[in-house]
Amino acid sequence: GAVVSQHPSRVICKSGTSVKIECRSLDFQATTMFWYRQFPKQSLMLMATSNEGSKATYEQGVEKDKFLINHASLTLSTLTVTSAHPEDSSFYICSARDFAGLATSEQFFGPGTRLTVL
Amino acid sequence: GENVEQHPSTLSVQEGDSAVIKCTYSDSASNYFPWYKQELGKRPQLIIDIRSNVGEKKDQRIAVTLNKTAKHFSLHITETQPEDSAVYFCAASIQNYGQNFVFGPGTRLSVLP
Repeated sequence: GAVVSQHPSRVICKSGTSVKIECRSLDFQATTMFWYRQFPKQSLMLMATSNEGSKATYEQGVEKDKFLINHASLTLSTLTVTSAHPEDSSFYICSARDFAGLATSEQFFGPGTRLTVL
Repeated sequence: GENVEQHPSTLSVQEGDSAVIKCTYSDSASNYFPWYKQELGKRPQLIIDIRSNVGEKKDQRIAVTLNKTAKHFSLHITETQPEDSAVYFCAASIQNYGQNFVFGPGTRLSVLP
C-alpha cells in the first residue's frame, strides 16, 4: 500500500511554544490529507481536512487559529499547534488518500506524533 | 451528518474462538465501510473494507457483512490468535472525491491464550 510518513514521532515542548508536525505522502500524490487527534483509549477525531492549494476545512469546535494547517504541495501537509498548552497534549495522526484512481477509497495513515506539552 | 456507533467497546475471547464487532451508521448515503486495526502506539491499518454494492466480503480469517437496509455492518474474525489483540475501528464514508471517514469509537479486542 501507499506510504505516509509523519515527523516528528514524538515532541515535548514547553507551554506557550509552537510545534509543527509534517505529514508526507511518499509514493503518491495526495490532493487531500486529513488530520486527526486521538486521546488515550479513544477513537480518531477528525480535526480538519487539508486540501492542496486551498484553505483547510475545520471540524466544529476546532480552533483554526490554534491549529494552523498548510497543504503547500501534493505530498506535504503541515499542522502547527500554536501557543501549545498541556491540554493540547495528544496523539496527532494524519492520513492521505490517493486520488490517482477515484475508485480507491482507502485512507493511508501516518505513524502519528505524540505531543506532550509541559 | 454521519454518526457511527460500535459495539462492544471491549471484547475478550479465548484463542481459537470467533470475535464479532458490530457497527451502525446513520447516513444512508454512506457507501464505503472500512475496518482498521490499531495496535498500541501505532498507526491504524486497513484490514478489510466493503462497498455498498456488496453484502459480504471475506479475506482468510476476516469477513465483513453489510446490511444496507438496517444500516449496520459487522466484522467477523475466526480462529482468533493473540496477535489479533488490538483496537478495531469501523468507519463510514461516502465514496467520493475528498470525503472523510467517520470513525466508530473503537473496540478493544483481547485474545486470551
